[in-house]
Amino acid sequence: EIVMTQSPVTLSVSPGERATLSCRASQSVSSNLAWYQQKPGQAPRLLIYGASTRATGIPGRFSGSGSGTEFTLTISSLQSEDFAVYYCQQYNNWLLFTFGPGTKVDIK
Amino acid sequence: QVQLQESGPGLVKPSETLSLTCTVSGDSVSRDNHYWSWIRQSPGKGLEWIAYIFYSGSTNYNPSLKSRATISVDTSKNQFSLQLTSVTAADTAVFYCARVTRFGSGSSNSYAMDVWGQGTTVTVSS
Repeated sequence: EIVMTQSPVTLSVSPGERATLSCRASQSVSSNLAWYQQKPGQAPRLLIYGASTRATGIPGRFSGSGSGTEFTLTISSLQSEDFAVYYCQQYNNWLLFTFGPGTKVDIK
Repeated sequence: QVQLQESGPGLVKPSETLSLTCTVSGDSVSRDNHYWSWIRQSPGKGLEWIAYIFYSGSTNYNPSLKSRATISVDTSKNQFSLQLTSVTAADTAVFYCARVTRFGSGSSNSYAMDVWGQGTTVTVSS
């Protein structure tokens, strides 16, 4: 079983600043990684798939990078609507999905 | 615009079977570049993938839930469903249905959950 970890657990950032979120897989997942944003009381929203491709309608300030076991989600200039919990998710060769525990981005 | 809507009882008794249905509008569950999935989120916790199904009936399950979960599809109603047997309080959660889309083609496919329902809360309690 592939285990996903995310760091930090909480990231306190001021509006306009850059946020860098990390996701690590216990073994290589190639580029089989997605990022989701979830706000309180809402369903998750797909941000990034294939480790680095923005989903339809996602602003350019969101970018993903990495492959293998180390991945990063960067929000270049945080807007008020970006304060949320962010999850990474991998899938393996058998298309079994696993989510990371999440990183909460809150206002500094 | 694709929409997914979960439905089912909000309260289930311990040891009984939880049954949920997801109704898809604006898309067809029979399209061959989509899988249809269930995910849950326990109170204050993270996301846990449960299962997915392809229109042909091909399925895949989270190994931790495989013995209790059954996912099915009804193409005539454009719906898919989840049954979870022998529930306990630990199964109390918000249950989401989601579309899994295959992006790209050939050897460069990527899969991700690109459309989600709003979620339905299921409480297991006597």
